Amino acid sequence: QLVLTQSPSASASLGASVKLTCTLSSGHSSYAIAWHQQQPEKGPRYLMNLNSDGSHSKGDGIPDRFSGSSSGAERYLTISSLQSEDEADYYCQTWGTGIRVFGGGTKLTVL
Amino acid sequence: EVQLVESGGGLVKAGGSLRLSCAASGFTLSSYSMNWVRQAPGKGLEWVSSISSSSSYKYYADSVKGRFTISRDNAKNSLNLQMNSLRAEDTAVYYCARDGLTSGYETGMDVWGQGTTVTVSS
Repeated sequence: QLVLTQSPSASASLGASVKLTCTLSSGHSSYAIAWHQQQPEKGPRYLMNLNSDGSHSKGDGIPDRFSGSSSGAERYLTISSLQSEDEADYYCQTWGTGIRVFGGGTKLTVL
Repeated sequence: EVQLVESGGGLVKAGGSLRLSCAASGFTLSSYSMNWVRQAPGKGLEWVSSISSSSSYKYYADSVKGRFTISRDNAKNSLNLQMNSLRAEDTAVYYCARDGLTSGYETGMDVWGQGTTVTVSS
């Protein structure tokens, strides 16, 4: 079964960096994912597509502070030089034939 | 500007029906698979349904299978979701989202609408 697992919460200080993790279920370590950001009271926004080899392509207007990487079944989103507007929920998402799957989301608090 | 705009949400009693629409602009709808995704109050994102670019394939989450029907009209640049036999647990903000494509490869949902709210009263 295709499942994405995320930690419910994370926190980091203003100006620091943070690395969020999304883990693919067993047998699905080759899957690409997408990262999405949802700021409070707003709809989701696509950040990037991230492949198993770590290559990624960002959406239009996404700052260079956002980057992605991969290791095995884990997919990472790194946000550097944290700003207050980065405080949001972050979701990973993947897909297969006939199915789309979201992780439970990570709530990022900027201290 | 690439844009998706949902409409049709509202308050409905349990057992009732509602039809959501999503108007697409700024891109060729017929080139993309499309999705409906929902978010219950205080909860995460939940995939609801997908439809291929030419409507050949339609997929549903188990939670809505047999009750919801996805459709599209590429000539009118629109995506629809017919929701029947609504339950309290269908209460959510419903988003339409595009499946992205880059060089023929899927990239995840790369364009989102602002959402429309559905409230089912019991």
